[in-house]
Amino acid sequence: DAGVIQSPRHEVTEMGQEVTLRCKPISGHDYLFWYRQTMMRGLELLIYFNNNVPIDDSGMPEDRFSAKMPNASFSTLKIQPSEPRDSAVYFCASSSGQTFGNTIYFGEGSWLTVV
Amino acid sequence: EDKVVQSPLSLVVHEGDTVTLNCSYEVTNFRSLLWYKQEKKAPTFLFMLTSSGIEKKSGRLSSILDKKELFSILNITATQTGDSAVYLCAVELSNTGKLIFGQGTTLQVKP
Repeated sequence: DAGVIQSPRHEVTEMGQEVTLRCKPISGHDYLFWYRQTMMRGLELLIYFNNNVPIDDSGMPEDRFSAKMPNASFSTLKIQPSEPRDSAVYFCASSSGQTFGNTIYFGEGSWLTVV
Repeated sequence: EDKVVQSPLSLVVHEGDTVTLNCSYEVTNFRSLLWYKQEKKAPTFLFMLTSSGIEKKSGRLSSILDKKELFSILNITATQTGDSAVYLCAVELSNTGKLIFGQGTTLQVKP
């Protein structure tokens, strides 16, 4: 299996621009998670889906952030408009079943810089 | 508010040293505690701990959980330069499946 695939791997954008991050989870996994990692706050859960349905979006920082999962093999995280404080590494992860801890697989991350 | 706190935040040692990384937590609905290693990319799984007092071991790494005092430690013996990484502690919440991560401990092992 190719693992969790994220794109782009790196993005540099100007403040105010729209940013779309993409994720393909591992086939057969029914949970998908979006995390954000910064030096100041560490790894934070933004939102997670179960069977394509958003379950908990309490970690989404504000209305500028939105996430969708139109089907079992694709999810997007969108930031519009982007701000410099959104600069971070965004990880997508997927898992199967109710026990997440040792079955959660992370993608390589999307390194976002907003200037 | 659920929180996980790791200490120290950073550590520099020499090869061969033994290190102990700490993780304390305050959460509702604890299910398990996990340790991950992160080397400039995605975190990779090390251990999952659910019961107090039972040591998990993998080579030079070991970990133990104390559910009464709400903490865990990760020990690395005979450290090597390849152990240099960020070590993340996370707590899994049973009613949500969420992982709450600590800030991480950045370990640098010098030759």
